[in-house]
Amino acid sequence: EIVMTQSPATLSVSPGERATLSCRASQSVSSNLAWYQQKPGQAPRLLIYGASTRATGLPARFSGSGSGTEFTLTISSLQSEDFAVYYCQQYNNWPRTFGQGTKVEIK
Amino acid sequence: EVQLVESGGGLVQPGGSLRLSCAASGFTFSSYEMNWVRQAPGKGLEWVSYSSSSGYTIYYADSVKGRFTISRDNAKNSLYLQMNSLRAEDTAVYYCVSGFQIWTYWGQGTLVTVSS
Repeated sequence: EIVMTQSPATLSVSPGERATLSCRASQSVSSNLAWYQQKPGQAPRLLIYGASTRATGLPARFSGSGSGTEFTLTISSLQSEDFAVYYCQQYNNWPRTFGQGTKVEIK
Repeated sequence: EVQLVESGGGLVQPGGSLRLSCAASGFTFSSYEMNWVRQAPGKGLEWVSYSSSSGYTIYYADSVKGRFTISRDNAKNSLYLQMNSLRAEDTAVYYCVSGFQIWTYWGQGTLVTVSS
């Protein structure tokens, strides 16, 4: 099983600032990496797939990068609606596995 | 509009059984792979099971293998999860999710609580 490790666990950021979230895979997943956003009481929302492709309608302030074992989600200028928990997920192998999540909170 | 609506959750005693359903609409259900993903209270996401579009290829997480059974009825646009021998650690919100690799559409989830 591929273990996904996200850092940091919590990120405190002021509105308008840049947020950088990291995700590491225990073995290469190529570019088969997705990012999800989850707000309290809601289902996860797909943000990024293929490590860097934005889902339909996603604002350009969200960007993904990386391949192999190291990945990054960047939110260039945090808006109030971006404060949430973010998960990375690999879909290179079964079982599909998620990171433990990074909570982005208001500083 | 794509909709996935889960139902069948509730309170069940340890060792009991429950059957979850997911009603799909707004897309050609018979052409899509489907999954169940769960989230324990206050915890992260865990993939549970996968079904190919035909239902012939099925995968399970080790944590549920031998206890849970995924199935689908393409004529009824529905996905199911039969859960037997339930344990306290199966307590979670269960989401129905469409796709093989790209998981764009998620249901709103149904809560399963295993407790005496």
